[in-house]
Parts: sequence; C-alpha cells; structure tokens
Amino acid sequence: GNSVTQMEGPVTLSEEAFLTINCTYTATGYPSLFWYVQYPGEGLQLLLKATKADDKGSNKGFEATYRKETTSFHLEKGSVQVSDSAVYFCALPVTSGTYKYIFGTGTRLKVLA
Amino acid sequence: DAGVTQSPTHLIKTRGQQVTLRCSPISGHKSVSWYQQVLGQGPQFIFQYYEKEERGRGNFPDRFSARQFPNYSSELNVNALLLGDSALYLCASRSVEGPQETQYFGPGTRLLVL
Repeated sequence: GNSVTQMEGPVTLSEEAFLTINCTYTATGYPSLFWYVQYPGEGLQLLLKATKADDKGSNKGFEATYRKETTSFHLEKGSVQVSDSAVYFCALPVTSGTYKYIFGTGTRLKVLA
Repeated sequence: DAGVTQSPTHLIKTRGQQVTLRCSPISGHKSVSWYQQVLGQGPQFIFQYYEKEERGRGNFPDRFSARQFPNYSSELNVNALLLGDSALYLCASRSVEGPQETQYFGPGTRLLVL
C-alpha cells in the first residue's frame, strides 16, 4: 500500500548549518509529493511540492527533488535560520476513491543561534 | 483572499460530551477534508467531502461524523468523547478545477478532553 517514511527527529542544528530531512515513499504510479511545515501552535503550511519525477520544488531556500529511482523526496536547505525551527511533514496524496494525504510522522527541527 | 478558517481555536470538553468543529474553505474550493493530529504524530485522514457528499472516510469510529453545506463550509461532529480524542483537528480545502492536488490547511481546532 501507500506509505511515507520520514527520518525521526529531533534535529538540532546551529544557525547557517546545512539541513537534510529524509523522506521515502511507497506508491502506485508517480503521484505528486509535498512538504508541509508546522510552526509551534499553528496549522500546516505548504512549503513546496513536486508534481512529477525529476521535478525540483523550492521555496524560502528549501529544496526537494522528486527521485523515482530511489522513491525519495528529501528536503534540503543550505543555511538554516532560527526562524526555520518547526516540524516538517512529508505528504503523499492518495486518489483512489477519495482524495487524502498520507503524512510522515514529522521531523522536528530546532535551530540554535 | 482569506485562507481556510476554523472555529473555535481551542475547546475543552469532558468525557462523554459531544463537540462540533467548523470549517470554511478558501473561496472557490469545493472539497473539504478533516484530519486529526495527535501530539507528536502526523495528521490522520478522517473525512473528505465534495459537493455535500462524503467521498472518503478514514479509520475512525462512527462517533465521528461530518457534513458539508451548500456554501461548501463543513462541520465535524464527535460524540461520546474519549480522552484519546484530544488532538488538533485540521481542516483542509482543495480546488477541484484542473489537476490541482494541493490541499490548504486551516490553523486547526485544539480539543482537550478531560
């Protein structure tokens, strides 16, 4: 069946460090893939998406490349800031009969000044 | 344009009570979905509604029900509350025009059951 596996956190980095959060998926076909971010006490915000294989989604310095060979959609940022501290969720849409997302368990990122 | 709105923002109930949560989608969005996010976990799908009809239901008991109104707003009802129903309830809306798959989430309603 469809599933998303996300690296466990928490991840603690110093400001300006490089960030990678791993996400792999199992799915039928080649669905779009999403990253959402949740700041403390808030709902989910769309961070970026990729709609087909080899696409690169990017936003606010974050990037993720849809790699069908490795069924991965890892999130990266070259230089993190304190304001990036949040929980990041990888999401896979499932469209058979209904439309829903399957989310990873979330990765908490803490950036220290 | 306003995003997805939800009310109330916070709610405290006791076991056995009933609760109703409300959601207004982004203008023009006809599909509304509900998710439950327990602390420390990813959101879990509860329902999807489109054109006032239930289009999908997750693995939740019959105590959970929902409906969608002609203006596409939606309500989620939970009866006979249990302590385990304490969670953040998220509403998401989506445009079904064209190949749009992005769901936009509201700020959520945080429910605490005592």
